[in-house]
Amino acid sequence: GEDVEQSLFLSVREGDSSVINCTYTDSSSTYLYWYKQEPGAGLQLLTYIFSNMDMKQDQRLTVLLNKKDKHLSLRIADTQTGDSAIYFCAEKSGGYNKLIFGAGTRLAVHP
Amino acid sequence: SQTIHQWPATLVQPVGSPLSLECTVEGTSNPNLYWYRQAAGRGLQLLFYSVGIGQISSEVPQNLSASRPQDRQFILSSKKLLLSDSGFYLCAWREQREVSPLHFGNGTRLTVT
Repeated sequence: GEDVEQSLFLSVREGDSSVINCTYTDSSSTYLYWYKQEPGAGLQLLTYIFSNMDMKQDQRLTVLLNKKDKHLSLRIADTQTGDSAIYFCAEKSGGYNKLIFGAGTRLAVHP
Repeated sequence: SQTIHQWPATLVQPVGSPLSLECTVEGTSNPNLYWYRQAAGRGLQLLFYSVGIGQISSEVPQNLSASRPQDRQFILSSKKLLLSDSGFYLCAWREQREVSPLHFGNGTRLTVT
């Protein structure tokens, strides 16, 4: 079945880069997504990448996809305190109208 | 532009009481609709999704049910709540095309006492 795994916690210093990693199992996944959740709120779409791409950059965000290893990463450059949140990786399984989410990585940014 | 409304924002209910959470979407037609649950400190669990009026797919057997009486309305219900039903419930929608991402509501915090 489909499964998405992430590390649960990441702590970085303000101004450093953050790298959040994700692995997935469904090789037929067509799109992979990164969402951000701030305390008590819903999920906000950050970015997504099509499975035939290796990299996508959007301002401070860089997504890297290694389809062979089924590994996805999100890099946040110049991490700020406002980036503190839970980050979810999700895959869209081929043939299904649903997204499968990882457990989320809690990013803590300290001075 | 499209918007999604989910209510109530918070709810405290006793064990054994009924539940009704409502979600509506504006600015689009024939969306796919979803209910997710997020337990404390855990990820998102897909509960139900719907690709059209009256069409409900259940992902996890439980004492919850979902209904879609109108194109842009999605309701999550229970006849008798359990303590284990406590959690953060999120409604979401997406367009019925390949690249469309999920758009989430602000969630309902349910505490069953």
